[in-house]
Amino acid sequence: DAKTTQPTSMDCAEGRAANLPCNHSTISGNEYVYWYRQIHSQGPQYIIHGLKNNETNEMASLIITEDRKSSTLILPHATLRDTAVYYCIVRVEEYGNKLVFGAGTILRVKS
Amino acid sequence: ETGVTQTPRHLVMGMTNKKSLKCEQHLGHNAMYWYKQSAKKPLELMFVYNFKEQTENNSVPSRFSPECPNSSHLFLHLHTLQPEDSALYLCASSQEDEQYFGPGTRLTVT
Repeated sequence: DAKTTQPTSMDCAEGRAANLPCNHSTISGNEYVYWYRQIHSQGPQYIIHGLKNNETNEMASLIITEDRKSSTLILPHATLRDTAVYYCIVRVEEYGNKLVFGAGTILRVKS
Repeated sequence: ETGVTQTPRHLVMGMTNKKSLKCEQHLGHNAMYWYKQSAKKPLELMFVYNFKEQTENNSVPSRFSPECPNSSHLFLHLHTLQPEDSALYLCASSQEDEQYFGPGTRLTVT
């Protein structure tokens, strides 16, 4: 699975959009971009994933560049409960394919 | 509530004890995973089971012994652990796409 690079930490004001970048310059054509987050001492929570098109769900939007070498997770109106570690992971979609977690980005939402 | 439950949520055990962690998923998934998260470290994969068969063992010491009796249940049997094995142990399940994680078992080895 391709490696990803994320900033160590970011701050965001409550109510504003949080834009979390991720670089995955060695991504293969069949690898998806996944985002998870982990609130302190809980299990990771799936947020969103995509292959090439931009995706949106009730939690977030995922913007993938045309060359697929980077992506941005957008939380449109961050709340204090969005404070967490956010992980960007690339993987092939198949049964039993593991997630390889890096250090992620610590997002602190401040009032 | 993700549909993946883990028991116990907290466990303290001595180095000579034997204990087991249990994971159960009610999602109809066919793949199950054990991950370990030590303090201030990224999650590390330990084991993968696909359709009850172990398909990956990430060089885990033999003092950790997984068991998958059916697609809904996964166990991690622990014996003669070391203090450095203290960590959050997370179970997950999936089909091909997103993995759903349980709340974890916080293990302390004394």
